[in-house]
Amino acid sequence: AQSVTQLDSQVPVFEEAPVELRCNYSSSVSVYLFWYVQYPNQGLQLLLKYLSGSTLVESINGFEAEFNKSQTSFHLRKPSVHISDTAEYFCAVTLMDSSYKLIFGSGTRLLVRP
Amino acid sequence: DAGVTQSPTHLIKTRGQQVTLRCSPKSGHDTVSWYQQALGQGPQFIFQYYEEEERQRGNFPDRFSGHQFPNYSSELNVNALLLGDSALYLCASSLLAGNTGELFFGEGSRLTVL
Repeated sequence: AQSVTQLDSQVPVFEEAPVELRCNYSSSVSVYLFWYVQYPNQGLQLLLKYLSGSTLVESINGFEAEFNKSQTSFHLRKPSVHISDTAEYFCAVTLMDSSYKLIFGSGTRLLVRP
Repeated sequence: DAGVTQSPTHLIKTRGQQVTLRCSPKSGHDTVSWYQQALGQGPQFIFQYYEEEERQRGNFPDRFSGHQFPNYSSELNVNALLLGDSALYLCASSLLAGNTGELFFGEGSRLTVL
């Protein structure tokens, strides 16, 4: 069975500071990895994904995540956060078996303070 | 191009009642998945529909059932509601062919069971 662990339930940071949201997964088979973001009172939006190739993936709004197979991690980072980045961030995995069933972590609330 | 739309956005039911939630997928998508997101937790997979049939199912009791219509829209039905069914119910759509797990989510239907 697969599982996703997000160690931090909430991460408070000041605006323009760097941030890292941690994600570890467990799986006996290869998986695709995702970060989704959920703004208040909205559905989830895909932030970035790792399918294959370069282990460092980037989003259009400055976030990046690095796939580390040996540590089974997919941590999300941003060098300088904005107030508008305040949201809930979910790490998720899916098997490479065309099931398209996402398994989510419990989420990390990023709270950016001025 | 409309994204995934869900209705109703909010509803209140009492224990033992039945509820039906509706979802229209993003234009061009043929697969609909349903997730339950309890307060403070990540979404949990309920089931997935493709070609009007349940393609796979998560660990939810038979009280949870669904349907997909020829126009790809979908319904989620929950019978004999329990207090623990209170949650945000998310619909997600995708295109089965060539998909690598990216889902497009609606804003959800928030169900409160009293």
